[in-house]
Amino acid sequence: DTGVTQSPTHLIKTRGQQVTLRCSPISGHKSVSWYQQVLGQGPQFIFQYYEKEERGRGNFPDRFSARQFPNYSSELNVNALLLGDSALYLCASSLGQGGSPLHFGNGTRLTVT
Amino acid sequence: QKEVEQNSGPLSVPEGAIASLNCTYSDRGSQSFFWYRQYSGKSPELIMSIYSNGDKEDGRFTAQLNKASQYVSLLIRDSQPSDSATYLCAVFLYSGAGSYQLTFGKGTKLSVIP
Repeated sequence: DTGVTQSPTHLIKTRGQQVTLRCSPISGHKSVSWYQQVLGQGPQFIFQYYEKEERGRGNFPDRFSARQFPNYSSELNVNALLLGDSALYLCASSLGQGGSPLHFGNGTRLTVT
Repeated sequence: QKEVEQNSGPLSVPEGAIASLNCTYSDRGSQSFFWYRQYSGKSPELIMSIYSNGDKEDGRFTAQLNKASQYVSLLIRDSQPSDSATYLCAVFLYSGAGSYQLTFGKGTKLSVIP
């Protein structure tokens, strides 16, 4: 089975720009969650999508948005990038909406200069 | 504030010893608990899940859950240098409107000394 795939692997952007990160879940998984992880901290929840609907949102500004497509893949968009958005962005998929373990992709390393 | 707390360490143990990692959580209604291992520069990898009070063993790993004390732990027996990593405790915490978020602690960095 192919695991969770994320693209791109690394990304360098300038302050004020916009970025789109992509994620394909494990086959059969209908839930996708996005997390931000900065150095020395645990992953922080950004969004969860299940069956193409937003089912949870973390404490992130409206500059962050996401969507899930009919094939259950997902995109995370961040507008008006700030230096503080530099982090590892993790996508995870799971079978169900809650209670099922999350399986993470390799992440996208975003650097904002 | 719904939280998951871990001792950030670092925790150093000699090779062959037992490493004990601890975690407390704030939501008494939580039902699902996980331990993830994260090597430096890599993404978290699921190593244990536990849903009921008591112990769950998988190879050298044992997860322990005490819902009354809101406490979950991970024991690593016969620790190996390859176990050196950051261990993340994760708990599904209720976030309102029928939704639960998988919430992570800050992680405990484990170093196994040869």
